[in-house]
Amino acid sequence: QQPVQSPQAVILREGEDAVINCSSSKALYSVHWYRQKHGEAPVFLMILLKGGEQKGHDKISASFNEKKQQSSLYLTASQLSYSGTYFCGTEKDSNYQLIWGAGTKLIIKP
Amino acid sequence: ETGVTQSPTHLIKTRGQQVTLRCSSQSGHNTVSWYQQALGQGPQFIFQYYREEENGRGNFPPRFSGLQFPNYSSELNVNALELDDSALYLCASSSGLLGTGELFFGEGSRLTVL
Repeated sequence: QQPVQSPQAVILREGEDAVINCSSSKALYSVHWYRQKHGEAPVFLMILLKGGEQKGHDKISASFNEKKQQSSLYLTASQLSYSGTYFCGTEKDSNYQLIWGAGTKLIIKP
Repeated sequence: ETGVTQSPTHLIKTRGQQVTLRCSSQSGHNTVSWYQQALGQGPQFIFQYYREEENGRGNFPPRFSGLQFPNYSSELNVNALELDDSALYLCASSSGLLGTGELFFGEGSRLTVL
């Protein structure tokens, strides 16, 4: 079953923070986060595994709450380059197919 | 290091025709997966190939088929095209089985079925 992402879209000013959520009705093994800019390929951000720690690089981090089957992506002090559509992909077992959310469109204005 | 390349980038077909899309995986990667992405939606998993064998399939009918070659490049074939097959088809390569790491995507082949 497809994970639910929220919000569907968000508009920010440069420097503001954003949180994107990904929820599943099923127990999850991992959550994957990707960003896709218009007309481009999705680009990997990070993977969070069951039992793993919160991850992050630069000003983008994510958490994974296994009990709630939820993951959140945190973007702090957003930059213009953060604009794009963010997708979470969830995996219920190791080596199983990724089920992708419908995406969250992030627009950063100067 | 060469990234994932797909061809053709755009194509138009009519209902009932057949199409073949191609993907060259990133150097050193032995796994290729294919996704269908409708406009405004997330990618939908079609299937995955690992070392030339299908290793997982999503909820797509048998008219969607694929191949992986000894050099790990791959093809996606779709027979008896339907209007709903219009979408962006993405290929992704990785160095292991699904779930073990990062997927490297190509920029996709945009198929329009009239």
